[in-house]
Amino acid sequence: QSVLTQSPSASGTPGQRVSISCSGSDSNIGNNYVYWYQQLPGTAPKLLIYRDNQRPSGVPDRFSGSKSGASASLAISGLRSEDEGDYFCAAWDDRLSGVKFGGGTKLTVL
Amino acid sequence: QEQLVESGGGVVQPGRSVSLSCAASGFTFSAYGLHWVRQAPGKGLEWVAGISYDGHDQYYADSVKGRFTISRDNSRNTVFLQMDSLRPEDTAIYYCTRDQAAAGTWGEFEHWGLGTLVAVSS
Repeated sequence: QSVLTQSPSASGTPGQRVSISCSGSDSNIGNNYVYWYQQLPGTAPKLLIYRDNQRPSGVPDRFSGSKSGASASLAISGLRSEDEGDYFCAAWDDRLSGVKFGGGTKLTVL
Repeated sequence: QEQLVESGGGVVQPGRSVSLSCAASGFTFSAYGLHWVRQAPGKGLEWVAGISYDGHDQYYADSVKGRFTISRDNSRNTVFLQMDSLRPEDTAIYYCTRDQAAAGTWGEFEHWGLGTLVAVSS
């Protein structure tokens, strides 16, 4: 079981807004930055959100991140078919002295 | 353009060793922490090991502690992962990635290699 907990799946229709949650603890999300990674089929992961709510250049503003206490969320608005893939949250864990990834959420665009 | 290229993967028998390399270019290698992240077939991402910009600090996942060793050569812009006492559950694509933090303690991985496959099988 992952230190960071994500729902295994999420889905939506084109144009909808979906949210993916990530639950942790004080030793990781509660005290460190949260990152979100997108992995499309057959490709390396891509940084989607950094330092809780910042978007790297080139990432559409349809993607947004938020954090409250030891939980974080990734929201995707105006869902598109090309958003279909796996999404992982990550954070440094002070107690384990390492990076922890969530188990991943598989997003399906219906 | 920042680039990370892994090499050294292949098929290896349980209990044996393999060494991975990751050659970097396009950025000031000695200014950043570096990490290895793996992904078993059909599974999620698992952080394996990280090293600070100067090589003084190394961090390991519990699953590999005592078996894997991360190191770097800043004169060659290369990071290594020595993998000993390999187990079937170590079978995965191994990605090299750069942390935005010099100490390597953020997990901000903007740049990734394409990965190299290590298959542990008899």
